[in-house]
Amino acid sequence: TQLLEQSPQFLSIQEGENLTVYCNSSSVFSSLQWYRQEPGEGPVLLVTVVTGGEVKKLKRLTFQFGDARKDSSLHITAAQPGDTGLYLCAGGGRGGADGLTFGKGTHLIIQP
Amino acid sequence: EPEVTQTPSHQVTQMGQEVILRCVPISNHLYFYWYRQILGQKVEFLVSFYNNEISEKSEIFDDQFSVERPDGSNFTLKIRSTKLEDSAMYFCASSRQGVHTEAFFGQGTRLTVV
Repeated sequence: TQLLEQSPQFLSIQEGENLTVYCNSSSVFSSLQWYRQEPGEGPVLLVTVVTGGEVKKLKRLTFQFGDARKDSSLHITAAQPGDTGLYLCAGGGRGGADGLTFGKGTHLIIQP
Repeated sequence: EPEVTQTPSHQVTQMGQEVILRCVPISNHLYFYWYRQILGQKVEFLVSFYNNEISEKSEIFDDQFSVERPDGSNFTLKIRSTKLEDSAMYFCASSRQGVHTEAFFGQGTRLTVV
């Protein structure tokens, strides 16, 4: 069974600070996706990384896929209250129809 | 912007009853999925569907579950005889080429079994 561990589980910081959250596994994934989920709503896709070592930037968010494709990180620069939410990582398998394996998420609170 | 739509947004049913959850995936997508999320827990994969048949299913997707694409647009999840532990948010998702590309999720159906 593939598992994704996300850390920290909860993070509360002040507006303007930088932060990094992590997504780790002992399994190799062919792709990894980061989602953001608001209470009572579906996950909203932020980014997909496919290649080991890949780095993608989305405004103040930087996503990195580990060289061995077993881990990923999300770094937010100058966090804003609008960044508050639940951030989920999800790993994709080798087959085109494989379901995603989700982590439990990091609850992020940015205080003004 | 195209989106995955799900109906109903909330369904309350009595234990033992059958429910059908409905989804309209994004129109040019080829892969369709159902996931569930029990309150406070992580999102779990149930089943994937491609070319009018199930491609993969998890251990959760037992004989009480079935999926169907009855026409060119709808994708349904049927739970034959609901149990209390089926209470959860059920999310439909679709993707153009499978998990190597983006999977887009609907807003979910909150199923409450009483």
